[in-house]
Parts: sequence; structure tokens; C-alpha cells
Amino acid sequence: DAGVIQSPRHEVTEMGQEVTLRCKPISGHDYLFWYRQTMMRGLELLIYFNNNVPIDDSGMPEDRFSAKMPNASFSTLKIQPSEPRDSAVYFCASRGVSWEETQYFGPGTRLLVL
Amino acid sequence: AQSVSQHNHHVILSEAASLELGCNYSYGGTVNLFWYVQYPGQHLQLLLKYFSGDPLVKGIKGFEAEFIKSKFSFNLRKPSVQWSDTAEYFCAVSDYNQGGKLIFGQGTELSVKP
Repeated sequence: DAGVIQSPRHEVTEMGQEVTLRCKPISGHDYLFWYRQTMMRGLELLIYFNNNVPIDDSGMPEDRFSAKMPNASFSTLKIQPSEPRDSAVYFCASRGVSWEETQYFGPGTRLLVL
Repeated sequence: AQSVSQHNHHVILSEAASLELGCNYSYGGTVNLFWYVQYPGQHLQLLLKYFSGDPLVKGIKGFEAEFIKSKFSFNLRKPSVQWSDTAEYFCAVSDYNQGGKLIFGQGTELSVKP
């Protein structure tokens, strides 16, 4: 299996632009998680899905952030409009059906908003 | 709310020194415990995990961790570190009642001097 795939790996954009991050989970995994990593706040869970349905989005910082999972093999995290404080590494992770299973992380998208 | 505390923010060791990284969590229910490692510029990889059974868990690359329920601790250890162990280490807890989502500690940066 190729593991969790994320694109792009790096994104540089200007403040006010829309940013879309993409994730393909491991095939057969039922859960998908979006995390954000910053120096100040460490690793934070933004939102997670179970069977394509958002379960907990309490970590989404503002209405500027939105996430979708239209099917079992694809999810997006969108920031519109982007701001410099959104600069971070965004990780996607996926996991099987049981809560005891390991979460596998993708390589991350390093976002810089100028 | 659940939280995970890693006491050491930055640890500097010489090669062959022994390592112990502290991790405490605040939750009294059933949890699973994890240690992830993030090598420079890379994504998070699982080092080891505890679900049940033997509280002494052995992971990859010679790492081990001991779950002490009475102390709410899950400290990571390695008898003799190598330069290649230079990385950031994250302790995490997942809670059955929250869909198994991971709560991460702030991370400990380990620098091993050759």
C-alpha cells in the first residue's frame, strides 16, 4: 500500500487566496483525520471523519476552514481566505474501524501564507 | 478534557547515553497510548503503542515504554541512543469515548551529539 497520500507537499500563497489541501487515505480505512502542526501549538486535531461523515470538527479554528470527504478515497481541507497565521504543516492520517488501531500519517503539506 | 504532558521540551544527549522521555496523561478511563517519532522534515511514524496486557511495550529501533496506570505515565526509554535518533518525539493518547482520536503532547526534541 502506498500509505496516506497528501498533495501538494508545499504551498506558498498570498494572504486572501483560497488554499485547498488534498488527502487520499489508506484503502479500507474508515477514519480520516486532519491535523495542524505549528511551533506554538504543536499538533492539533482539526476534524475527523468516519465513513466520509464529519464526526468532530471542534478543532477547526474558524469559518474560514472547511473540510469535505466526498468519497472513501478522497478528502479536502480548504482555507478561504487564507491568512499568514494559517502557515503550518497540515497532516492527514487514516485508521481502520477499531479505535485501537494505529493512525497512519501522510507526509504533510507545508503551507506558507505571505 | 484530556491532556498529555511531555515534561522535556528539548533533550541533548551524547551517543550511547541512555534516554528516558516523560509522558503523563490526564484521563481515568480506558485509553490507548502511543509514541510517535518525527525525523527532520518527515511525517510522523509510530514507534510503539500500548493497548492492554504487558505494561512494558517494545517498539522499533530499540525503544520501549512502560505504562504505569497509577501514575498516568507512559515514559519512553532507550538504553543507548544513536545520532540517527535525533528527532522529535510525541506521546499521544486515544480515548474510546471520543472515537479514538489522538490527543498529542507538545513533543520533545531530541538532539544526539555524535
